[in-house]
Amino acid sequence: DGGITQSPKYLFRKEGQNVTLSCEQNLNHDAMYWYRQDPGQGLRLIYYSQIVNDFQKGDIAEGYSVSREKKESFPLTVTSAQKNPTAFYLCASNLAGMNTEAFFGQGTRLTVV
Amino acid sequence: GESVGLHLPTLSVQEGDNSIINCAYSNSASDYFIWYKQESGKGPQFIIDIRSNMDKRQGQRVTVLLNKTVKHLSLQIAATQPGDSAVYFCAENRGRKNYGQNFVFGPGTRLSVLP
Repeated sequence: DGGITQSPKYLFRKEGQNVTLSCEQNLNHDAMYWYRQDPGQGLRLIYYSQIVNDFQKGDIAEGYSVSREKKESFPLTVTSAQKNPTAFYLCASNLAGMNTEAFFGQGTRLTVV
Repeated sequence: GESVGLHLPTLSVQEGDNSIINCAYSNSASDYFIWYKQESGKGPQFIIDIRSNMDKRQGQRVTVLLNKTVKHLSLQIAATQPGDSAVYFCAENRGRKNYGQNFVFGPGTRLSVLP
């Protein structure tokens, strides 16, 4: 089945640690995105990538890093520089070009302990 | 799973009634809009989309209306069912020059269906 898979579903991090969230898609989509979701708020864009080996900062990129070495994969690292990392993280992908729907993964809930 | 959007606006409707969820967008240049449904602890699911050259689009039990004059989008759900209970988000595609799409999401509305 085609889809977009995020792992793990739940992740716990100690303060000062970096953690990496996985996002894999087999939809042959060129574009991939990472969003952060906090209670009472909409989704906010962290990073996005339109093609392999290229990515751009979104609205809240500080404290995060990404890589796009393969078309299928777009991992997000939450670094120790992110002061408030506890949130629900969503990965999405879509076809390149304009006006195509984005497909979302099931999310990773990150909690700092 | 843990709920998202704990302090969202809430719309409560009786099962079988029609629901109307509203969304205001800010960028008059946005040319593509999507409604997503998000159940607790899950990722958003696509419901319906509309391009700016249209005023109305219908799907199965859902209709999206676009009023570009006042930058307003609405989602109508006919004969609302318990399975429709979720948080609903509108997303506008503002685009970024040379970088394709840039979806901006509204804060969401929680729909509760009463038995």
